[in-house]
Amino acid sequence: DAGVIQSPRHEVTEMGQEVTLRCKPISGHDYLFWYRQTMMRGLELLIYFNNNVPIDDSGMPEDRFSAKMPNASFSTLKIQPSEPRDSAVYFCASSRQALVSEAFFGQGTRLTVV
Amino acid sequence: DAKTTQPPSMDCAEGRAANLPCNHSTISGNEYVYWYRQIHSQGPQYIIHGLKNNETNEMASLIITEDRKSSTLILPHATLRDTAVYYCIVRAHSGNTPLVFGKGTRLSVIA
Repeated sequence: DAGVIQSPRHEVTEMGQEVTLRCKPISGHDYLFWYRQTMMRGLELLIYFNNNVPIDDSGMPEDRFSAKMPNASFSTLKIQPSEPRDSAVYFCASSRQALVSEAFFGQGTRLTVV
Repeated sequence: DAKTTQPPSMDCAEGRAANLPCNHSTISGNEYVYWYRQIHSQGPQYIIHGLKNNETNEMASLIITEDRKSSTLILPHATLRDTAVYYCIVRAHSGNTPLVFGKGTRLSVIA
């Protein structure tokens, strides 16, 4: 298996533009997690899904952020409009279920908003 | 909020054992101790987990004290590639409980 695949790896955009980050989880995994990492705040959980249904989005910073999982093999995290403070590395992770030991992380998307 | 306390940084000589401590004094009976690491510019990687017994796998050993209030991750023969941030995470094995990361320990393996 190729692991969790995120795209793009790097994104530079201007303030006010819409940004869409993409994630393909490992096949057969029924949990998907979105995290954000900054120097100041470390790794923060934004939202997670179980069987394509959002379970907890309390970590989503504000209404400018939205996430969808239209099917078991694809998820998006959208920021509209983007702001410089959204600059961070965004990680997607998947696991078979939350009770199992291992969550597999993607390589991340480094977002820079100028 | 993270339920663990770890030293912010540690050094270890290459080839020696790296012993990374973690305090989790408020751990409850149904909570496991997990360790992940994050090598620079990569996503976090699972290392090991345990409940109350010591555990060992091909990457590391996990020693949990009898009262379960602290644990130590042991990398038996550290290499330069083990330089990373190591996260100790307490997580329940019931319901939907995603990983909550604290600040971790930055381990530097020195040649």
